Amino acid sequence: NAGVTQTPKFQVLKTGQSMTLQCAQDMNHNSMYWYRQDPGMGLRLIYYSASEGTTDKGEVPNGYNVSRLNKREFSLRLESAAPSQTSVYFCASRRGGEQYFGPGTRLTVT
Amino acid sequence: GESVGLHLPTLSVQEGDNSIINCAYSNSASDYFIWYKQESGKGPQFIIDIRSNMDKRQGQRVTVLLNKTVKHLSLQIAATQPGDSAVYFCAASTQGGKLIFGQGTELSVKP
Repeated sequence: NAGVTQTPKFQVLKTGQSMTLQCAQDMNHNSMYWYRQDPGMGLRLIYYSASEGTTDKGEVPNGYNVSRLNKREFSLRLESAAPSQTSVYFCASRRGGEQYFGPGTRLTVT
Repeated sequence: GESVGLHLPTLSVQEGDNSIINCAYSNSASDYFIWYKQESGKGPQFIIDIRSNMDKRQGQRVTVLLNKTVKHLSLQIAATQPGDSAVYFCAASTQGGKLIFGQGTELSVKP
């Protein structure tokens, strides 16, 4: 099993550009999550999907949209990137209480 | 709102010593807690978890203690090794299986 995979690993955007971060899991988990991690801070929840076909806002959803394409895939979209969205983005899936994390996408918005 | 906090942002220990990392949470309804380890450039990795009906749980070289009265939990690492150097996060469950994370404690192990 690959676990949770994320693409791309690194991305640089200019202010106003859009992009989609991809996440996939092969563990047949129902729940998936997107977090952002800023220096010196813990992970903050952007959006989550409790099951295929459902999505809900987390703590910091502004400026983002998500799509739960199928049970495996959960994408995060930035429609108009801003410097405040410079961060490391982690996707996770959940079995029981434990969440399994991907390796992260490091995004810089200039 | 709900919060999870760590008492110290950094901790430095000598190789072979025991390490203790502390965490406090605000929501008394949280019934599940996890400790994660994050190495540089990687995603968080599960270390150990504990449910609120327990006070203590042991793993391989790690022990988590939960004090629900004061809403505090700690992670103890026995015989700390250089490979234990990382940032450690505690997380508390909320409604719907979501987790609230603390800011992290960076553990440095001196040889």
